[in-house]
Amino acid sequence: QTVVTQEPSLTVSPGGTVTLTCASSTGAVTSGYYPNWFQQKPGQAPRALIYSTSNRHSWTPARFSGSLLGGKAALTLSGVQPEDEADYYCLLYSGGVWVFGGGTKLTVL
Amino acid sequence: EVQLVESGGGLVQPGRSLRLSCTVSGFTFGDYAMSWVRQAPGKGLEWLGLIRSKLDGGATEYAASVKGRFTILRDDSKNIAYLQMDSLKTEDTAVYYCYDHVGYWGQGTLVIVSS
Repeated sequence: QTVVTQEPSLTVSPGGTVTLTCASSTGAVTSGYYPNWFQQKPGQAPRALIYSTSNRHSWTPARFSGSLLGGKAALTLSGVQPEDEADYYCLLYSGGVWVFGGGTKLTVL
Repeated sequence: EVQLVESGGGLVQPGRSLRLSCTVSGFTFGDYAMSWVRQAPGKGLEWLGLIRSKLDGGATEYAASVKGRFTILRDDSKNIAYLQMDSLKTEDTAVYYCYDHVGYWGQGTLVIVSS
């Protein structure tokens, strides 16, 4: 079964830029894995940010962008705001099933 | 306004069954796949399974961890997706969410498996 790996934690300064990545144990992540990204704040349901690698939902701020980077899916936050402090999860389609990464805890400090 | 509302959670003994519902409004439910996702206390998200739309064949897919114990169903006439959970274990304790793969999530329903 596919294992999806994310950085456990990252720290960024307000106004800075940070990139979160999402790797697959099966090899390079491609658009065929349909990478999705979600944000979750404590006590809340997840919120969808990005689908199919780089497409923002209508409610996703423009400072969030998705891409493929060095064989991984990537979520870049530019001009980070204090309210971006949250857990971020990627979701990949692999081998006929969907698999979440373990999540990245993003601290804005 | 799109809404997904889960219900049916609660306290259940190990080995028993429970059926969760996800009632959808605000979009054409029958046109979309629906997934169930859970989150154990203090842990990350775990995808459990999906049911495709009838237009897409209506097939189901499951994570290996729940295959054979959990079943996903849908009733397009009522705009409801179900998660039938059998032979429940203490490690199934979690908040259970439905997700429509269009971007919308329910608020979750808590299932506690304990004697």
